[in-house]
Amino acid sequence: DGGITQSPKYLFRKEGQNVTLSCEQNLNHDAMYWYRQDPGQGLRLIYYSQIVNDFQKGDIAEGYSVSREKKESFPLTVTSAQKNPTAFYLCASALRSGGETQYFGPGTRLLVL
Amino acid sequence: SQKIEQNSEALNIQEGKTATLTCNYTNYSPAYLQWYRQDPGRGPVFLLLIRENEKEKRKERLKVTFDTTLKQSLFHITASQPADSATYLCALANTGNQFYFGTGTSLTVIP
Repeated sequence: DGGITQSPKYLFRKEGQNVTLSCEQNLNHDAMYWYRQDPGQGLRLIYYSQIVNDFQKGDIAEGYSVSREKKESFPLTVTSAQKNPTAFYLCASALRSGGETQYFGPGTRLLVL
Repeated sequence: SQKIEQNSEALNIQEGKTATLTCNYTNYSPAYLQWYRQDPGRGPVFLLLIRENEKEKRKERLKVTFDTTLKQSLFHITASQPADSATYLCALANTGNQFYFGTGTSLTVIP
């Protein structure tokens, strides 16, 4: 059963703590993306990766970090430098970058304690 | 920087009518425009893609138009049903690597 998965569904972060959101896909897609969605706002791009071991910053990369060691996996770390991390985080993948259909995961809701 | 605007208010229509959602953009020349559906608490789901050289695209009860002169796309759902109630997002992309999403329009179809 192909698809894109994210875990956990809900994540709680304490002050000063780094947390990592998981994103895995078995669609054999080259491109992967991380977005943040806040109420009443569109999706904003945090990071994207076109190929293994390569990634680029999106519009709001500050306070976040990523890695792309495997084609299937693109984890996002929300660092303590991100002062307003409460949001809905969406991971997506596409066969190739550049206008291709994006397939989204179910999302992770991050809350700050 | 690029700006994408969708219907600023939620749209309520009667079942069976045609819903029309708008997506306007500035400071950008997209090669592609896409429409997604998003249900509460879930990830967006792709619906339709239209390229800059295409005027119209259809898929079952859905129709998308793309006017690069007006910098506008219209998304139509004909014979709307309560199950069509959701938030609809438009997204622009170039032949580069980034997608830009609008804020979305919330559609409610009233039985």
